[in-house]
Amino acid sequence: GQNIDQPTEMTATEGAIVQINCTYQTSGFNGLFWYQQHAGEAPTFLSYNVLDGLEEKGRFSSFLSRSKGYSYLLLKELQMKDSASYLCAVRDGDYKLSFGAGTTVTVRA
Amino acid sequence: NAGVTQTPKFRVLKTGQSMTLLCAQDMNHEYMYWYRQDPGMGLRLIHYSVGEGTTAKGEVPDGYNVSRLKKQNFLLGLESAAPSQTSVYFCASSASGTSGPDTQYFGPGTRLTVL
Repeated sequence: GQNIDQPTEMTATEGAIVQINCTYQTSGFNGLFWYQQHAGEAPTFLSYNVLDGLEEKGRFSSFLSRSKGYSYLLLKELQMKDSASYLCAVRDGDYKLSFGAGTTVTVRA
Repeated sequence: NAGVTQTPKFRVLKTGQSMTLLCAQDMNHEYMYWYRQDPGMGLRLIHYSVGEGTTAKGEVPDGYNVSRLKKQNFLLGLESAAPSQTSVYFCASSASGTSGPDTQYFGPGTRLTVL
C-alpha cells in the first residue's frame, strides 16, 4: 500500500512563511501533487513535481527529492485567504493518486 | 465551461436505501474518479474509469458500483446504504497526458449522511 505522512496542523502569522512537509513510501512513482482545500469546498490543484528540485508559482513553491521520498510546499507572504487544508498526493506506478490526510494551516492576523 | 459538477450536493438516507450520485464533466476528459473523504483521513479512491464503457476498482470499492455509459458522466451507486458510508464524496476527472492521466480536477462534492 501507500504511506503518505504530513503534519496535521500548522499555525502562522499573516505575512510570514510556512513550510509543509510530506514524506511518502509508494509502489512506483509518477509525480507528486499539492492541492489546496478550503473548508467545505473541493480540492484545487496547486503544484506538480516529477523531477527533483524546486517549482515556483508566485507565492507558492514545491520541492521534491525522490531519493528521500520527501516533498515540501512553501507558502510565502501568507494571507488570511491561505487558511485551508493542504493535501499532498503521490501518483503511483499505476497512475493512481494516493493522498495524505492533509495539513490544516491557520493564518492569524 | 462548468468543469466538474456533482448532483446532489447534500443527501440524507436511511440504512438500506439506495441512491445514485451523478458526476458530469464538460472538459472531454478521458479519466474519471470517485473518492470519499472522511475526517482525519486522506481522500480514498472508490472506483475509477479510464474511458467510456470502462470501470475499475480503487482502494475502497465495497458497497459501491459505478457506470460510465457516456464519456462525460460517471455514476456512483449505493445499493444498500450503511452508516459507514456517511462521508463527503468527490468526483474528479483528468485528461490523457503523454504517458498516463494528467492532473485531476475535482467537483464540489456531495455530503451524504446515512442514518
